[in-house]
Amino acid sequence: QVQLVQSGAEVKKPGASVKVSCKVSGYTLSELSMHWVRQPSGKGLEWVGGFDPEYGKTVYAQRFQGRVSMTEDADTAYMEVSSLRPEDTATFYCAAANGSGPLEYWAQGTLVIVSS
Amino acid sequence: SYDLTQPPSVSVSPGQTATITCSGDTLRNKLSSWYQHKPGQSPVLVIYQTNKRPSGIPERFSGSHYGDTATLTIRGAQAIDEADYYCQAWDFSTPYVFGTGTKVTVL
Repeated sequence: QVQLVQSGAEVKKPGASVKVSCKVSGYTLSELSMHWVRQPSGKGLEWVGGFDPEYGKTVYAQRFQGRVSMTEDADTAYMEVSSLRPEDTATFYCAAANGSGPLEYWAQGTLVIVSS
Repeated sequence: SYDLTQPPSVSVSPGQTATITCSGDTLRNKLSSWYQHKPGQSPVLVIYQTNKRPSGIPERFSGSHYGDTATLTIRGAQAIDEADYYCQAWDFSTPYVFGTGTKVTVL
Protein backbone atom coordinates (compact mmCIF):
# COMPACT_ATOMS: atom_id res chain seq x y z
CA GLN A 1 0.00 0.00 0.00
CA VAL A 2 1.29 3.44 -0.94
CA GLN A 3 1.96 5.87 1.88
CA LEU A 4 2.84 9.53 1.40
CA VAL A 5 4.18 11.66 4.25
CA GLN A 6 4.85 15.37 3.89
CA SER A 7 7.10 17.73 5.81
CA GLY A 8 5.69 20.03 8.46
CA ALA A 9 4.08 23.45 8.38
CA GLU A 10 6.10 26.45 7.24
CA VAL A 11 5.87 30.18 7.91
CA LYS A 12 7.63 32.38 5.39
CA LYS A 13 7.97 36.06 4.66
CA PRO A 14 6.89 37.54 1.34
CA GLY A 15 9.58 37.13 -1.28
CA ALA A 16 11.07 34.02 0.33
CA SER A 17 11.01 30.47 -1.00
CA VAL A 18 9.64 27.29 0.52
CA LYS A 19 10.46 23.66 -0.25
CA VAL A 20 8.00 20.97 0.79
CA SER A 21 8.89 17.28 0.75
CA CYS A 22 6.76 14.18 0.26
CA LYS A 23 8.24 10.83 1.22
CA VAL A 24 6.89 7.78 -0.59
CA SER A 25 6.77 4.23 0.75
CA GLY A 26 5.14 1.07 -0.51
CA TYR A 27 5.95 1.91 -4.13
CA THR A 28 8.96 3.36 -5.87
CA LEU A 29 8.70 6.87 -7.29
CA SER A 30 9.30 5.52 -10.78
CA GLU A 31 6.04 3.56 -10.51
CA LEU A 32 3.98 6.65 -9.70
CA SER A 33 3.15 10.01 -11.22
CA MET A 34 3.55 12.58 -8.45
CA HIS A 35 1.47 15.74 -8.34
CA TRP A 36 0.90 18.69 -6.05
CA VAL A 37 -2.48 20.24 -5.26
CA ARG A 38 -3.12 23.32 -3.18
CA GLN A 39 -6.09 24.53 -1.17
CA PRO A 40 -6.21 28.08 0.14
CA SER A 41 -8.18 28.36 3.36
CA GLY A 42 -11.91 28.24 2.68
CA LYS A 43 -11.41 27.61 -1.03
CA GLY A 44 -11.32 24.65 -3.39
CA LEU A 45 -8.67 22.29 -4.68
CA GLU A 46 -6.32 23.48 -7.40
CA TRP A 47 -3.75 21.42 -9.29
CA VAL A 48 -0.29 23.04 -9.15
CA GLY A 49 1.73 20.64 -11.29
CA GLY A 50 3.16 17.16 -11.61
CA PHE A 51 4.59 14.49 -13.84
CA ASP A 52 2.63 13.92 -17.02
CA PRO A 53 3.48 10.47 -18.46
CA GLU A 54 1.89 11.44 -21.77
CA TYR A 55 4.66 13.99 -22.27
CA GLY A 56 7.27 12.28 -20.11
CA LYS A 57 7.99 15.42 -18.15
CA THR A 58 6.83 17.59 -15.27
CA VAL A 59 4.18 20.12 -16.22
CA TYR A 60 2.86 23.07 -14.26
CA ALA A 61 -0.41 24.95 -14.13
CA GLN A 62 -0.01 28.13 -16.13
CA ARG A 63 -0.49 30.42 -13.15
CA PHE A 64 2.42 28.77 -11.31
CA GLN A 65 4.88 28.48 -14.19
CA GLY A 66 8.16 30.15 -13.45
CA ARG A 67 7.60 30.15 -9.67
CA VAL A 68 7.22 26.46 -8.92
CA SER A 69 9.73 23.68 -9.34
CA MET A 70 9.09 19.99 -8.73
CA THR A 71 11.87 17.45 -8.32
CA GLU A 72 12.37 13.90 -7.09
CA ASP A 73 15.23 12.23 -5.25
CA ALA A 74 15.30 8.51 -4.32
CA ASP A 75 12.00 8.07 -2.44
CA THR A 76 11.05 11.69 -1.95
CA ALA A 77 9.27 14.25 -4.11
CA TYR A 78 9.78 17.96 -3.60
CA MET A 79 7.94 21.12 -4.52
CA GLU A 80 9.63 24.50 -4.24
CA VAL A 81 7.74 27.75 -4.55
CA SER A 82 9.72 30.95 -4.94
CA SER A 83 8.84 34.65 -4.63
CA LEU A 84 6.13 33.84 -2.12
CA ARG A 85 3.19 36.21 -1.77
CA PRO A 86 0.59 36.37 1.02
CA GLU A 87 -1.99 34.95 -1.39
CA ASP A 88 0.15 31.79 -1.66
CA THR A 89 -0.93 30.90 1.87
CA ALA A 90 -2.53 27.47 1.52
CA THR A 91 -2.36 23.81 2.39
CA PHE A 92 -0.34 21.97 -0.22
CA TYR A 93 -0.97 18.27 -0.80
CA CYS A 94 1.20 15.82 -2.67
CA ALA A 95 -0.75 13.12 -4.43
CA ALA A 96 0.11 10.15 -6.59
CA ALA A 97 -1.45 8.52 -9.61
CA ASN A 98 -0.77 5.35 -11.54
CA GLY A 99 0.22 6.72 -14.93
CA SER A 100 -2.35 9.24 -16.14
CA GLY A 101 -5.04 7.95 -13.83
CA PRO A 102 -6.84 9.66 -10.97
CA LEU A 103 -5.06 10.85 -7.84
CA GLU A 104 -5.41 7.68 -5.78
CA TYR A 105 -3.00 8.41 -2.95
CA TRP A 106 -2.75 11.61 -0.91
CA ALA A 107 -0.44 12.82 1.83
CA GLN A 108 -1.62 14.65 4.91
CA GLY A 109 -0.93 18.14 3.56
CA THR A 110 1.47 20.93 4.52
CA LEU A 111 0.25 24.36 5.60
CA VAL A 112 2.37 27.16 4.17
CA ILE A 113 1.72 30.59 5.66
CA VAL A 114 3.16 33.66 3.96
CA SER A 115 3.09 36.66 6.24
CA SER A 116 5.28 39.61 7.07
CA SER B 1 -10.46 30.13 -12.54
CA TYR B 2 -12.45 26.88 -12.66
CA ASP B 3 -13.75 25.20 -15.80
CA LEU B 4 -16.00 22.77 -13.92
CA THR B 5 -19.04 24.15 -12.11
CA GLN B 6 -20.67 22.48 -9.12
CA PRO B 7 -23.50 23.63 -6.84
CA PRO B 8 -22.01 25.22 -3.69
CA SER B 9 -24.08 23.08 -1.36
CA VAL B 10 -26.43 20.10 -1.24
CA SER B 11 -28.50 19.06 1.75
CA VAL B 12 -29.92 15.59 2.24
CA SER B 13 -31.80 13.79 4.98
CA PRO B 14 -30.24 10.62 6.42
CA GLY B 15 -31.13 7.62 4.28
CA GLN B 16 -32.12 9.74 1.30
CA THR B 17 -30.30 10.31 -1.99
CA ALA B 18 -27.87 13.17 -2.62
CA THR B 19 -27.08 14.18 -6.19
CA ILE B 20 -24.14 16.41 -7.06
CA THR B 21 -23.63 17.70 -10.59
CA CYS B 22 -20.49 18.92 -12.31
CA SER B 23 -20.74 20.77 -15.60
CA GLY B 24 -18.29 22.13 -18.13
CA ASP B 25 -16.98 21.73 -21.66
CA THR B 26 -13.90 20.05 -20.18
CA LEU B 27 -16.11 17.03 -19.45
CA ARG B 28 -17.16 16.39 -23.03
CA ASN B 29 -15.77 13.00 -24.14
CA LYS B 30 -13.61 12.82 -21.01
CA LEU B 31 -13.55 10.49 -18.03
CA SER B 32 -14.39 12.03 -14.67
CA SER B 33 -13.42 11.35 -11.07
CA TRP B 34 -14.80 12.45 -7.71
CA TYR B 35 -13.03 13.15 -4.43
CA GLN B 36 -14.43 13.40 -0.92
CA HIS B 37 -12.69 15.90 1.37
CA LYS B 38 -13.44 16.17 5.07
CA PRO B 39 -12.08 19.01 7.25
CA GLY B 40 -8.61 18.31 8.56
CA GLN B 41 -8.18 15.24 6.37
CA SER B 42 -6.74 14.47 2.96
CA PRO B 43 -9.00 14.11 -0.06
CA VAL B 44 -10.17 10.58 -0.86
CA LEU B 45 -10.93 9.24 -4.33
CA VAL B 46 -14.49 7.87 -4.35
CA ILE B 47 -15.21 7.51 -8.08
CA TYR B 48 -12.88 7.20 -11.08
CA GLN B 49 -13.36 6.59 -14.80
CA THR B 50 -16.86 8.06 -14.43
CA ASN B 51 -18.46 5.18 -12.53
CA LYS B 52 -15.85 2.94 -10.90
CA ARG B 53 -15.38 2.71 -7.16
CA PRO B 54 -11.94 2.17 -5.60
CA SER B 55 -11.58 -0.66 -3.15
CA GLY B 56 -13.15 0.24 0.19
CA ILE B 57 -15.60 2.83 -1.12
CA PRO B 58 -19.20 1.92 -0.18
CA GLU B 59 -21.65 0.87 -2.89
CA ARG B 60 -23.90 3.83 -2.02
CA PHE B 61 -21.50 6.02 -4.04
CA SER B 62 -22.03 5.94 -7.80
CA GLY B 63 -21.16 8.10 -10.78
CA SER B 64 -22.58 8.84 -14.20
CA HIS B 65 -21.80 11.14 -17.10
CA TYR B 66 -23.77 12.55 -20.02
CA GLY B 67 -22.48 15.16 -22.40
CA ASP B 68 -20.92 18.01 -20.45
CA THR B 69 -22.27 16.93 -17.06
CA ALA B 70 -20.98 14.37 -14.58
CA THR B 71 -23.04 13.33 -11.58
CA LEU B 72 -22.13 11.83 -8.21
CA THR B 73 -24.99 10.07 -6.42
CA ILE B 74 -24.98 9.04 -2.77
CA ARG B 75 -27.85 6.64 -2.11
CA GLY B 76 -28.84 6.16 1.50
CA ALA B 77 -26.68 9.08 2.69
CA GLN B 78 -25.17 8.77 6.15
CA ALA B 79 -23.82 11.34 8.59
CA ILE B 80 -20.28 10.16 7.80
CA ASP B 81 -20.81 11.28 4.19
CA GLU B 82 -20.81 14.94 5.22
CA ALA B 83 -17.89 16.47 3.37
CA ASP B 84 -16.87 18.61 0.43
CA TYR B 85 -16.96 16.79 -2.89
CA TYR B 86 -14.93 17.74 -5.95
CA CYS B 87 -15.25 16.48 -9.47
CA GLN B 88 -12.13 16.27 -11.63
CA ALA B 89 -11.42 15.76 -15.31
CA TRP B 90 -8.50 16.00 -17.69
CA ASP B 91 -7.92 18.95 -19.96
CA PHE B 92 -5.40 19.32 -22.75
CA SER B 93 -3.31 21.88 -20.88
CA THR B 94 -4.15 20.86 -17.30
CA PRO B 95 -4.02 17.14 -16.46
CA TYR B 96 -6.14 17.61 -13.33
CA VAL B 97 -8.92 20.16 -13.46
CA PHE B 98 -11.04 20.29 -10.31
CA GLY B 99 -14.59 21.47 -9.96
CA THR B 100 -15.63 24.32 -7.69
CA GLY B 101 -16.62 21.90 -4.92
CA THR B 102 -19.92 21.05 -3.22
CA LYS B 103 -20.52 20.95 0.51
CA VAL B 104 -22.82 18.03 1.35
CA THR B 105 -24.77 18.33 4.59
CA VAL B 106 -26.69 15.37 6.01
CA LEU B 107 -29.43 16.52 8.37
